[in-house]
Amino acid sequence: EIVLTQSPATLSLSPGERATLSCRASQGVSNYLAWYQQKSGQAPRLLIYDASNRATGIPARFSGSGSGTDFTLTISSLEPEDFAVYYCQQRSNWPPVTFGGGTKVEIK
Amino acid sequence: EVQLLESGGGLVQPGGSLRLSCVGSGFAFKNYAMNWVRQAPGKGLEWVSAMFGGGGGGGTYYADSVKGRFTISRDNSNNILYLQMNSLRVEDTAVYYCAKDRIAMTTVTALDSWGRGTLVTVSS
Repeated sequence: EIVLTQSPATLSLSPGERATLSCRASQGVSNYLAWYQQKSGQAPRLLIYDASNRATGIPARFSGSGSGTDFTLTISSLEPEDFAVYYCQQRSNWPPVTFGGGTKVEIK
Repeated sequence: EVQLLESGGGLVQPGGSLRLSCVGSGFAFKNYAMNWVRQAPGKGLEWVSAMFGGGGGGGTYYADSVKGRFTISRDNSNNILYLQMNSLRVEDTAVYYCAKDRIAMTTVTALDSWGRGTLVTVSS
């Protein structure tokens, strides 16, 4: 089973700042990595698929990069609605599909 | 507009059973792999099960934690995904989400539409 490790666990930033979230895989997953956003009490929302492709309707301030074992989700300038928990997910070697433990982006 | 609506959650005793349902609309349900993903209270996301659509021959897949206890199935005529959960354990307590794959006629890729979830509580 591929383990995804996200860091940091919590990121404290102010609106307008840049957020950089990391996801590291225990073995290579090529570019088969997705990112999701989950706000409190809501279902997750797909942000990025195949490491760097924005899903439909996702603002350009969200970008993804990486391949193999190291991936990054960048939010170029945080908007108030971006404070949430973010998860990465791999589908390279499944089952099982696996998710990372999440990074909470909170208001500083 | 794609919509997914789960139902069937509730309170059940350890060892009991529940069947969850997820009704899909706004897309060609039969062509897409469909998934169940759960989230224990205050915890992260855990993939539970997937069932392929038309392109995948209806194959079924499970997390080790539920294999042999849970069964995924689908009724493509009525656009319904099911999860039959038997021998429930306290650790199965979670919100269960139904989620649609992004691409038709293929395996699991990324999950681009999710329902609101249904809460399953296993407790005596």
